[in-house]
Parts: sequence; C-alpha cells; structure tokens
Amino acid sequence: SQKIEQNSEALNIQEGKTATLTCNYTNYSPAYLQWYRQDPGRGPVFLLLIRENEKEKRKERLKVTFDTTLKQSLFHITASQPADSATYLCAPDSGNTPLVFGKGTRLSVIA
Amino acid sequence: DGGITQSPKYLFRKEGQNVTLSCEQNLNHDAMYWYRQDPGQGLRLIYYSQIVNDFQKGDIAEGYSVSREKKESFPLTVTSAQKNPTAFYLCASSSRQANSPLHFGNGTRLTVT
Repeated sequence: SQKIEQNSEALNIQEGKTATLTCNYTNYSPAYLQWYRQDPGRGPVFLLLIRENEKEKRKERLKVTFDTTLKQSLFHITASQPADSATYLCAPDSGNTPLVFGKGTRLSVIA
Repeated sequence: DGGITQSPKYLFRKEGQNVTLSCEQNLNHDAMYWYRQDPGQGLRLIYYSQIVNDFQKGDIAEGYSVSREKKESFPLTVTSAQKNPTAFYLCASSSRQANSPLHFGNGTRLTVT
C-alpha cells in the first residue's frame, strides 16, 4: 500500500540554522511533490511544488529537492527564524487523484 | 479577497445528532475536498467532488455524507453513524488541472459528547 513518511514528528533547531525535513514515499510514482505549512488551529497553506524532472526548487529561504530514485524529497529552510515554527506536510502528487498527505513534521525554531 | 470559508470554527453536539459543516469558496474552483485531521494521524480524505452534482468517497467516508449542488458550496454532514466524530475538519478546493495546489479553509473543530 502507499506510504508517506516524514522524518520525525518534531524537530527543534536554533535560530539562524538550516532546518532539513525529509519526506519518503513508497508505492507511489508521483509526477510532482507538494509541500505545505500548517499553523496550530489553521488549515495548511501551500508553499512549493516540485516536478519529477526538477532536481531542486527555491523560493526565498526555502529549497526543495526531489529524488525519484530514492523516492525522497528534502525541504530546507535556511537562516531559520522563530516565525518558521509550524508543522510542515508533504504530499506526493500523481496528478490524477486527490492529494494524500504525510503526517507532518513539527518544527520549532528556538531563539 | 478570494478564499475558502468554513463555519463555524467550533461546533459542539450531543451524541446521536447529525451535524452539518459548511464550506464555501469564491475561487471558481471545480474541485472540493473534505479532510479529517486527528492528532498524530495526519489528514485523511473523507469525500471529494470534481464537478457539480458529482462526488466520490475518500478513504474514510463511512458515517459522512456530502452534497454538491452549487460550485461554490460543499457541505459535509457528520451522521450519528460516525463512531468517532470528534475531530478537526478541513475543507479544500483546487482547479481540476493536474498538480494544482489545494487551498484550505481554517477548519471546523467538532466536539461530540
């Protein structure tokens, strides 16, 4: 069956460091992979989408990589700030079915 | 401002009562979705609709019902048949184009006692 694993439930890092979150998937062949941010008590907000033929995608301090051989996406936040504290969700996207989400990684950036 | 609105934010019901959660969007999106979120479980798909007057079951449709009479609206009814209805319910919409991101509402927290 299809499975999505995000590296850990919680990740604590010091302000200014780079946060790296992992998304591994099995029994999927996604053409895209989407990343979302969710704050407590709110709905997820779309951040980035990366296509299978793109190795890397950047948006301001965010960087996403997508390795279809390893079946893995890495999500990096450089120069992290306390305002980056949130839960981050990944969603492999095959393009023709509703999105299935990983359980998320709760990131805490400590000042 | 375009967006997706869920109401109410908090809802309390007694066991055995049906309850309907509202979801409205003004993004002109064809597709709409209902997810349920429980602590430690992530988002699970309840129902989705890709066009007016049509909808499909998701992974956990038992005990729920939906309708899609208008493009803008996709209400979810939590029936008394749903065994564990207390949860955070999220509605989302998207265009039908492949790889379109989902736009989520801010959820309804339902508590059934």
